[in-house]
Amino acid sequence: QTVVTQESSLTVSPGGTVTLTCASSTGAVTSGYYPNWFQQKPGQAPRALIYSARNRHSWTPARFSGSLLGGKAALTLSGVQPEDEAEYYCLLYYGGAWLFGGGTKLTVL
Amino acid sequence: EVQLVQSGAEVKQPGESLKISCKGSGYIFTNYWIGWVRQMPGKGLEWMGIIYPGDSDTRYSPSFQGQVTISADKSISTAYLQWSSLKASDTAMYYCARRVGATEAIDYWGQGTLVSVSS
Repeated sequence: QTVVTQESSLTVSPGGTVTLTCASSTGAVTSGYYPNWFQQKPGQAPRALIYSARNRHSWTPARFSGSLLGGKAALTLSGVQPEDEAEYYCLLYYGGAWLFGGGTKLTVL
Repeated sequence: EVQLVQSGAEVKQPGESLKISCKGSGYIFTNYWIGWVRQMPGKGLEWMGIIYPGDSDTRYSPSFQGQVTISADKSISTAYLQWSSLKASDTAMYYCARRVGATEAIDYWGQGTLVSVSS
């Protein structure tokens, strides 16, 4: 049973920087897992932020960046805004199957 | 403008059947996969399965194989998620989302369909 693991919660101050990570129980996350990142606010559908580990969608603010870091996929928010408070999910591709992480609740305080 | 528009909320009883829909517009429907995602109340996102409307190639997550059926009607640019016999545990929000095959990007999402199953 493959598991994708994210931090359950993180807190960041406005204007600060925070990094969320996404790990796979199968081992190091590489570009072949095509990590996607999504933001979800209460009562809203998820919104896509990052695909293929580091590519922003046309609507994704530049303060969101994706990378591969220490065997995990990572999402870094720089210059955090109050409106960035949300749940963040990663999604990994396992060759024909996809699996979400459990989500990270990001609090901006 | 790319849009995925889902059918409205449903209230059903256990044992009933249900089919919800996701209509794509603003792009060539048959060129992109459509995935379905479950979100139970207060919980995270779960990948259910995906279909390629061009040839109806369908892949199910092991947790959902045999529990639901994913289909598509390319003539009306619509994907479906259906149950033959609902259970209370099927109560959840269901989202459809578009996958770009070459990059494995999941880009556009539907607004969600709330399914409530209760006696």
